[in-house]
Amino acid sequence: QQPVQSPQAVILREGEDAVINCSSSKALYSVHWYRQKHGEAPVFLMILLKGGEQKGHEKISASFNEKKQQSSLYLTASQLSYSGTYFCGTDGGGSQGNLIFGKGTKLSVKP
Amino acid sequence: NAGVTQTPKFQVLKTGQSMTLQCAQDMNHEYMSWYRQDPGMGLRLIHYSVGAGITDQGEVPNGYNVSRSTTEDFPLRLLSAAPSQTSVYFCASSYSASGSLHTQYFGPGTRLTVL
Repeated sequence: QQPVQSPQAVILREGEDAVINCSSSKALYSVHWYRQKHGEAPVFLMILLKGGEQKGHEKISASFNEKKQQSSLYLTASQLSYSGTYFCGTDGGGSQGNLIFGKGTKLSVKP
Repeated sequence: NAGVTQTPKFQVLKTGQSMTLQCAQDMNHEYMSWYRQDPGMGLRLIHYSVGAGITDQGEVPNGYNVSRSTTEDFPLRLLSAAPSQTSVYFCASSYSASGSLHTQYFGPGTRLTVL
């Protein structure tokens, strides 16, 4: 089952913060976050495993609440380079080697 | 390391034609997958492989075939192209290890148009 991302799109000014949410109806083993620039392949940002951990990548951090089957991506003091589409990918703990991706959240950062 | 490579980068086909999208990785990853990306739909899984000689269907397998004779290569075959197969195709590889469970390493993509 495809995870649900919200919002679908967000427009920010440089320096503003944003939160992108990802929720699933299935139990999750891990949540992955990717960013994709226009015309390019998705690039891995971070992975969160069961245990409610929080991770960071520069000024981008994320949390994972396995009980609620939700993850959130936090973008702090956004920069122009943060523009792109963000995808969450979920892994139900199987051994298939792939992920189920959400439909994406398009983030536009304006000067 | 070249990572994951895909050829061709662009392709235009006529309805009914067949072709093979090539994918290769040099990271010795056991898992490989094919995704298609359409506007507003995210990345949808077509086929995947958990090792040489083992493949299985994903969410949208109709009209596509795969094989995995070696660890490195995972070609995707379009049997009889249809306009609905116009999309961007990404190949990805992954491995399973503590802290890096199935992180997808994507190729650069193939943009396919079917007329």
